[in-house]
Amino acid sequence: SQQGEEDPQALSIQEGENATMNCSYKTSINNLQWYRQNSGRGLVHLILIRSNEREKHSGRLRVTLDTSKKSSSLLITASRAADTASYFCATAPGGNKLVFGAGTILRVKS
Amino acid sequence: SQTIHQWPATLVQPVGSPLSLECTVEGTSNPNLYWYRQAAGRGLQLLFYSVGIGQISSEVPQNLSASRPQDRQFILSSKKLLLSDSGFYLCAWSVLDGEQFFGPGTRLTVL
Repeated sequence: SQQGEEDPQALSIQEGENATMNCSYKTSINNLQWYRQNSGRGLVHLILIRSNEREKHSGRLRVTLDTSKKSSSLLITASRAADTASYFCATAPGGNKLVFGAGTILRVKS
Repeated sequence: SQTIHQWPATLVQPVGSPLSLECTVEGTSNPNLYWYRQAAGRGLQLLFYSVGIGQISSEVPQNLSASRPQDRQFILSSKKLLLSDSGFYLCAWSVLDGEQFFGPGTRLTVL
């Protein structure tokens, strides 16, 4: 079963705007990861945040983690048309596995 | 640097036919290996994972099986495909529960 649930399911914004995607999960985790998938391609790892971290940055990406609420958010600032893709959160509950959510489809209009 | 290969890229098979998808990893030793299936517009479903040669954990009971005959080779098989086996199959590797590196995927259509 999928643990991560992304919200919204789909998001359409104008180029230059910020995009925020949220992820909720159910059980305790070692880390939470965000991935990106372009249509018909494999997933690409974006960022990993450990359970003892609250915020992490990578370029235009900002990820927050609230373990008390079992939620995370991914913020993409100053979006570009090339950011159009599906974004997935994945939780590591332990045991060498990741559990992926259903994803958010982001469309950035130029 | 590490690379991961999957083949074939696309496959069209009739119902009841066998299946063999192969995944190989280069540039790393003793990786964890994973097979996922992705239905159209959906998230990833973990099918199998392996922490070493000959060690396979099955996540979803179905007519698929996996094998790891070599350290960096992971094979997904079926003796008889069902229509419901259609989907996008992704192989990935990782070290422990860190980031996973995905292959390009195989698009399987069962007719």
